[in-house]
Amino acid sequence: GQQVMQIPQYQHVQEGEDFTTYCNSSTTLSNIQWYKQRPGGHPVFLIQLVKSGEVKKQKRLTFQFGEAKKNSSLHITATQTTDVGTYFCAGPAYNNNDMRFGAGTRLTVKP
Amino acid sequence: DGGITQSPKYLFRKEGQNVTLSCEQNLNHDAMYWYRQDPGQGLRLIYYSQIVNDFQKGDIAEGYSVSREKKESFPLTVTSAQKNPTAFYLCASSMGQGFLYEQYFGPGTRLTVT
Repeated sequence: GQQVMQIPQYQHVQEGEDFTTYCNSSTTLSNIQWYKQRPGGHPVFLIQLVKSGEVKKQKRLTFQFGEAKKNSSLHITATQTTDVGTYFCAGPAYNNNDMRFGAGTRLTVKP
Repeated sequence: DGGITQSPKYLFRKEGQNVTLSCEQNLNHDAMYWYRQDPGQGLRLIYYSQIVNDFQKGDIAEGYSVSREKKESFPLTVTSAQKNPTAFYLCASSMGQGFLYEQYFGPGTRLTVT
């Protein structure tokens, strides 16, 4: 079945350093969504990418969707302590009857 | 205040008992979802409903049941047939159908079965 892999599993950075998490699907995705979950909290929607090669920015966050629509990345420039949490990518299954989440990348930031 | 409410926040049950988790939304969303999250893992879809009185199985539906009698409500029953019920359960909703829209999540229910 379709798999969505996410790396790295953990990332620990010094405040001010950059951070990137990568998401790879075994099948082509119609869209990809990114969510952030703070420790002890629930996932919160960040962004959705739909077009091949799409790039979107939200302040210090840059999201990319690969040309083949099978991979995506989230890059955070100059991390802050407020960026702490687990970042998940998610995309519909090929038959559109399921939503597959990556296992997430847990980001910790040392002040 | 629009949003999704789940209750209770923490739930403890003995093995062999069925338990029902509540999920209510006042966002007027058509679609609702139930996910399970285990420590260090992503979310896995249990059931989803795109319209009242209709629902579909997700990836891990075995041992669970749902109903969608009202647009606002999508309760999940964890039955005694679920082999590993202890988990964090998240309910979500979205404006449209087909996993093409952002999902809004409730605060979750942590279920512990001993």
